[in-house]
Amino acid sequence: GAVVSQHPSRVICKSGTSVKIECRSLDFQATTMFWYRQFPKQSLMLMATSNEGSKATYEQGVEKDKFLINHASLTLSTLTVTSAHPEDSSFYICSARDSRTSTDTQYFGPGTRLTVL
Amino acid sequence: GQQVMQIPQYQHVQEGEDFTTYCNSSTTLSNIQWYKQRPGGHPVFLIQLVKSGEVKKQKRLTFQFGEAKKNSSLHITATQTTDVGTYFCAVTRSPSGGYNKLIFGAGTRLAVHP
Repeated sequence: GAVVSQHPSRVICKSGTSVKIECRSLDFQATTMFWYRQFPKQSLMLMATSNEGSKATYEQGVEKDKFLINHASLTLSTLTVTSAHPEDSSFYICSARDSRTSTDTQYFGPGTRLTVL
Repeated sequence: GQQVMQIPQYQHVQEGEDFTTYCNSSTTLSNIQWYKQRPGGHPVFLIQLVKSGEVKKQKRLTFQFGEAKKNSSLHITATQTTDVGTYFCAVTRSPSGGYNKLIFGAGTRLAVHP
């Protein structure tokens, strides 16, 4: 099956610091990965589409300088929350699209719960 | 942009009762996907519907895609406590020159009382 991992699963940081979250496709290559944010009892909101070897595409209202995305290899994308503030506290989830298939199915990572103090 | 409305937002049932969640779009959809998210967990893919009028079953779960491909439903027969979670539908949006991306409905949170 297609497995996506995320690290760390949980992180607590001080306001003003930066946090990096990794998303890995473990048994398949993913030219495209997606980053979502989910606030408590709300739906998943797409933040950006991460494309291997090129710049990420951000959704309207998402600050690209605050949420840095790097997709340097076919199995790894990273999201860095820069100068984090309490309002950035959320559940961040990545997903990956299997490059071998033509379907739109995305495989989700287990998520990273970020708490900014 | 393409959005999908999902209702109800929340439903609680007695164990053994049925449950249905609905998703509606104002535009014709190429496909629709359904996901389940357990409390504290991440979304898990359940199924994708592609064809007009399609009906698919997974044990006690029945998924339907409307004839006009503008609405879909997920029905659970005889709910169990293991069905607890939030059920999301998701539709594909195709930006010009980019990969398809998923837009999620608001989700229906299901609580099952034993």
